[in-house]
Amino acid sequence: AQTVTQSQPEMSVQEAETVTLSCTYDTSESDYYLFWYKQPPSRQMILVIRQEAYKQQNATENRFSVNFQKAAKSFSLKISDSQLGDAAMYFCAYQEGGGANSKLTFGKGITLSVRP
Amino acid sequence: DVKVTQSSRYLVKRTGEKVFLECVQDMDHENMFWYRQDPGLGLRLIYFSYDVKMKEKGDIPEGYSVSREKKERFSLILESASTNQTSMYLCASSPIPTSGTSYEQYFGPGTRLTVT
Repeated sequence: AQTVTQSQPEMSVQEAETVTLSCTYDTSESDYYLFWYKQPPSRQMILVIRQEAYKQQNATENRFSVNFQKAAKSFSLKISDSQLGDAAMYFCAYQEGGGANSKLTFGKGITLSVRP
Repeated sequence: DVKVTQSSRYLVKRTGEKVFLECVQDMDHENMFWYRQDPGLGLRLIYFSYDVKMKEKGDIPEGYSVSREKKERFSLILESASTNQTSMYLCASSPIPTSGTSYEQYFGPGTRLTVT
């Protein structure tokens, strides 16, 4: 079974600084997708960024980028120029490719606080 | 915009009561999911459905059942609520991915259920 590990339960960053959230996963599949979801205090979970395993290029969305190391099974999220609105819980998630059900396996999450 | 709505934001029930949590999505998605979210445990999949009247158990189905009579609606049922089912319940939906694609899951705002 696939597992997703987020070993840091909490992190803190100064506003305007850069922070990296770590995630590792375990799978024997070659076709899969990785996601970072954000859950602000209001609780609506939203997608931050997605990475296809077959793509070597790391995904980027504005201030958010990933460092995808397929051989090491590592998928970290970098937030640049941190803003107060980035304070939230962040979940790393894995999805097996090629299937019809799009099930996600989540990590335990990390709470990010942003200091003004 | 995709909208996933859940019938209640907060719910308080007594031990032994039958509890219904309702989820509705407005984007004609085939897949729907129920998760529970607990501190330190992340999101765990209870049940999912890939079509009307079709369902599959997730990782923690014990004590729960589901119903999907219409494509847009997916209900989670606690037949006899117990205190260990006190949790945050999140519903999500997504289209069916085809080979070589993936789709994000869209989440509802969550229902905080307390069983006393």
